[in-house]
Amino acid sequence: NAGVTQTPKFRVLKTGQSMTLLCAQDMNHEYMYWYRQDPGMGLRLIHYSVGEGTTAKGEVPDGYNVSRLKKQNFLLGLESAAPSQTSVYFCASSSSVLGYTFGSGTRLTVV
Amino acid sequence: AQSVTQLDSQVPVFEEAPVELRCNYSSSVSVYLFWYVQYPNQGLQLLLKYLSGSTLVESINGFEAEFNKSQTSFHLRKPSVHISDTAEYFCAVSSTSYGKLTFGQGTILTVHP
Repeated sequence: NAGVTQTPKFRVLKTGQSMTLLCAQDMNHEYMYWYRQDPGMGLRLIHYSVGEGTTAKGEVPDGYNVSRLKKQNFLLGLESAAPSQTSVYFCASSSSVLGYTFGSGTRLTVV
Repeated sequence: AQSVTQLDSQVPVFEEAPVELRCNYSSSVSVYLFWYVQYPNQGLQLLLKYLSGSTLVESINGFEAEFNKSQTSFHLRKPSVHISDTAEYFCAVSSTSYGKLTFGQGTILTVHP
């Protein structure tokens, strides 16, 4: 089925460890986004990309890096995880024709 | 810069009662407005959106929202709720129909029997 796929779905990290979250879309969307969801704060934009090879900072970029080497993939990296990065992470992609599609989320716990 | 304020963090209501979830926004440019719903332990689903044209927009499951430019509001309403409407609802704004979204804090709607 067409859509946005996030891997992994769950992960527990120790403080200081690194990891990469993968987002893949098969809709040929130009735009891709990473949001984090925390209770009482809604979703906040971490980083986004308006096309292959481009990235830009969102509202809460500190502690995260991203890359978009291929149009269909958008990677979110945590170089040194902190407990404050415990959250649910959502990837999304969009186009001017089809609008937004969200992934099912990654639940990350940093202990 | 854009911002969204959802005025109620939690709304409890009895089944078959009407409900209104309030959303106010601020923006210096034209806006596109969205309501998303998130059922427990699931991702976000688009409920309805205002892009242009009629200020009253409807969803397939009985929700409606009205864009009020003078009051900068986009409140969500349903005349009669069901148990299955229990979820968290997010209002969001964007300067384009496909660009980055700014979300409100969310409103948890709990429908009691």
